[in-house]
Amino acid sequence: DQQVKQNSPSLSVQEGRISILNCDYTNSMFDYFLWYKKYPAEGPTFLISISSIKDKNEDGRFTVFLNKSAKHLSLHIVPSQPGDSAVYFCAACSRLTFGEGTQLTVNP
Amino acid sequence: NAGVMQNPRHLVRRRGQEARLRCSPMKGHSHVYWYRQLPEEGLKFMVYLQKENIIDESGMPKERFSAEFPKEGPSILRIQQVVRGDSAAYFCASSPARVHGYTFGSGTRLTVV
Repeated sequence: DQQVKQNSPSLSVQEGRISILNCDYTNSMFDYFLWYKKYPAEGPTFLISISSIKDKNEDGRFTVFLNKSAKHLSLHIVPSQPGDSAVYFCAACSRLTFGEGTQLTVNP
Repeated sequence: NAGVMQNPRHLVRRRGQEARLRCSPMKGHSHVYWYRQLPEEGLKFMVYLQKENIIDESGMPKERFSAEFPKEGPSILRIQQVVRGDSAAYFCASSPARVHGYTFGSGTRLTVV
């Protein structure tokens, strides 16, 4: 029962362009959503979050959008940089439940 | 202010041995969570503990796996009689309260040979 789904296992973009990572969830009880970034051989690091009472949260180059009716959220990275290349996990609370992750590769 | 500390970083065990993974939460954090990442898969919740209590172990395999978070000392994830399928990265996270503010450790990579 995968309650949080990231349907794109990988994404490749050019440096300077926008990266859009998508996430869908099924549990309407989730009230808080987070994005984590993970480099190889390291633990996930928190990137940005959004409460279910909002539909957008912005932090520098990172913006998360939440569409509650569609049970969908997305992470936008603008402009993308090579250092952004990592696996990105979408997660939802109440209990932190992760998606499968999307490997982002930003090509210089 | 050290982050979440996990040790060892790498652990090799032969089939049938026991594996003990340790997690020291961030200072002031009383909630600990264990996650497992199998090769080519995402992070799967295993267990959520507070000091001396298991709150939610719905993600723990029914046999061979146990976890504790004693009043003093780190949280321990214990795997008895390890099998090859236990090979994975095990991550611990801690938070100051029931919701949000999760900080992850760097993980323990268990290899069963």
